[in-house]
Amino acid sequence: EVQLLESGGGSVQPGGSLRLSCAASGFTFSTYAMSWVRQAPGKGLEWVSDISDSGGNTYYADSVKGRFTVSRDNSKNTLYLQMNSLRAEDTAVYYCATDMMGGHIVVVARVDWGPGTLVTVSS
Amino acid sequence: QSVLTQAPSVSGAPGQRVAISCTGSSSNIGAGYDVHWYQQLPGTAPKLLIYGDTNRPSGVPDRFSGSKSGTSASLAITGLQAEDEADYYCQSYDSSLSDVVFGEGTKLTVL
Repeated sequence: EVQLLESGGGSVQPGGSLRLSCAASGFTFSTYAMSWVRQAPGKGLEWVSDISDSGGNTYYADSVKGRFTVSRDNSKNTLYLQMNSLRAEDTAVYYCATDMMGGHIVVVARVDWGPGTLVTVSS
Repeated sequence: QSVLTQAPSVSGAPGQRVAISCTGSSSNIGAGYDVHWYQQLPGTAPKLLIYGDTNRPSGVPDRFSGSKSGTSASLAITGLQAEDEADYYCQSYDSSLSDVVFGEGTKLTVL
């Protein structure tokens, strides 16, 4: 059974940094591209970033480009999201998800999702 | 404002059929990019319902079906049940934005 568990969320002041982690189990992590998707309180889903199975290719939404960095450690079955220069509008629940195999990674469906971790940016 | 437009809400009585639409443009749905649908029950993570316009993952009841035509896609739910009350989101890719895009979501109320 696929399991994804995000951690690292919390409260941070504007301009601060956080690193989110997503621990994966129940599948061969190194063969799946992965995504981060966020949801602001009471709002809809917003794609944040994608990373290929090897980590060699990364993709970002314009809203986070230059501030967030996605990475992965396939030896630890863990996905990361380094978030710098945080803003109030980054406040959201952050989900990690597996990308469906086949096709370009930004086009495919997100299959399995973790329960999410809440990031609050406030002074 | 999302590039994929969904009605904010839809409702139906148990046993009825409802349809949730997702309207895009020539740079996303109209360009042929796949549309995927997710169900989000209150307080939980999204769940994949339909992928590649019309395909159901294993375990998703055949009461749920997807279709696509031109610049729009639609999710149909037949035999409505109380447990279907949730938010539903469409997702595609937009070549003008070079972004994965989600619709704003439609809240389904089972009367």
